[in-house]
Amino acid sequence: EAGVAQSPRYKIIEKRQSVAFWCNPISGHATLYWYQQILGQGPKLLIQFQNNGVVDDSQLPKDRFSAERLKGVDSTLKIQPAKLEDSAVYLCASSLASRTAEAFFGQGTRLTVV
Amino acid sequence: GDSVTQMEGPVTLSEEAFLTINCTYTATGYPSLFWYVQYPGEGLQLLLKATKADDKGSNKGFEATYRKETTSFHLEKGSVQVSDSAVYFCALGGSQGNLIFGKGTKLSVKP
Repeated sequence: EAGVAQSPRYKIIEKRQSVAFWCNPISGHATLYWYQQILGQGPKLLIQFQNNGVVDDSQLPKDRFSAERLKGVDSTLKIQPAKLEDSAVYLCASSLASRTAEAFFGQGTRLTVV
Repeated sequence: GDSVTQMEGPVTLSEEAFLTINCTYTATGYPSLFWYVQYPGEGLQLLLKATKADDKGSNKGFEATYRKETTSFHLEKGSVQVSDSAVYFCALGGSQGNLIFGKGTKLSVKP
């Protein structure tokens, strides 16, 4: 079974530039998450989708971050414009639609903003 | 709001030593509790979970018991191996199925 795919693996941009990350979840997983993991901290939820609807985006900085999940499968997370403090690993995860279902994580995209 | 506190690392042990990584939580209700592990160069993966009080999750020789009275979910292993070197994250399940993570504890096991 293929896992959660993310691209790119690494990205370096200058502040005020824009960047986009892509995620392809495990086939059949209705729930998709984007987490931000700053160095030395645990992952923090940015946004959660159920199929193509948003369940929780309360911690997404909506002035600069946006995310979409067209057709309830792939998802993209965009940052525009980027700030230095956005340097982090962006993790995508997917799960079946259950509160106790295991979340499967991709390897993440490491973003460095200079 | 809900939160997880786990012991600060790094933790360095010799092979075959006993491991405990402490984790406590604050939550309304009775959330599911998880331990995730991140091996070097790999993504996060579920190590074990418990969904209700007094449940014991176990996997690969690791164990953790859901203690409602002490709001804890400490991770233990009787004899660690070099291959257990990784970062361990305690997490609780939010009301929508999302995960709330602790800061992580880096474990290094020396031969």
